[in-house]
Amino acid sequence: DQQVKQNSPSLSVQEGRISILNCDYTNSMFDYFLWYKKYPAEGPTFLISISSIKDKNEDGRFTVFLNKSAKHLSLHIVPSQPGDSAVYFCAADSSGGSNYKLTFGKGTLLTVNP
Amino acid sequence: SQTIHQWPATLVQPVGSPLSLECTVEGTSNPNLYWYRQAAGRGLQLLFYSVGIGQISSEVPQNLSASRPQDRQFILSSKKLLLSDSGFYLCAWSRRSAGDTPLHFGNGTRLTVT
Repeated sequence: DQQVKQNSPSLSVQEGRISILNCDYTNSMFDYFLWYKKYPAEGPTFLISISSIKDKNEDGRFTVFLNKSAKHLSLHIVPSQPGDSAVYFCAADSSGGSNYKLTFGKGTLLTVNP
Repeated sequence: SQTIHQWPATLVQPVGSPLSLECTVEGTSNPNLYWYRQAAGRGLQLLFYSVGIGQISSEVPQNLSASRPQDRQFILSSKKLLLSDSGFYLCAWSRRSAGDTPLHFGNGTRLTVT
């Protein structure tokens, strides 16, 4: 059973517009959520995180929103740039960020068109 | 700054052959270390994690084993590879302390078992 789901395998967005990547989870014990970005032939790199005590965290062009009642989080990228084209993984942890046995989604391939 | 090295980048091995993938971390002490795998069409799956020398926890029963002979060295092994062992193997580290310390991944090894 998949505890972290990214239902959109791919997303295509025009440069300068907003990219919205979605993630749903089923485990109520998850209390810390992260987004990673992955380019081909490279390992994932950490992008942004959010604790379950917050509903929003912002870092530059990247904002993560958490809706605990819906068990849903989303990553907004504004404005989108061609260099943002990559696979984005949503991940969740149930130990407040102190024990990174993360559960990952399958990823969403974002393509930003010039 | 901390760096993580993982090698080789790609590997093609016949079924039944042994496997040894090595990962080393520089610039930090007492890290938590992890092996993840991404099989085709699937998300990242945690295989092993280690909180110290000689301390290995297995998350998924499988044909693989892990060892941590030194503080910053983590090795993934198999005595006899199966076709199902093909995938993208990622080593990662995190700081031991609690709080906002995300996983940092290496560039991965693409393993193809033929």
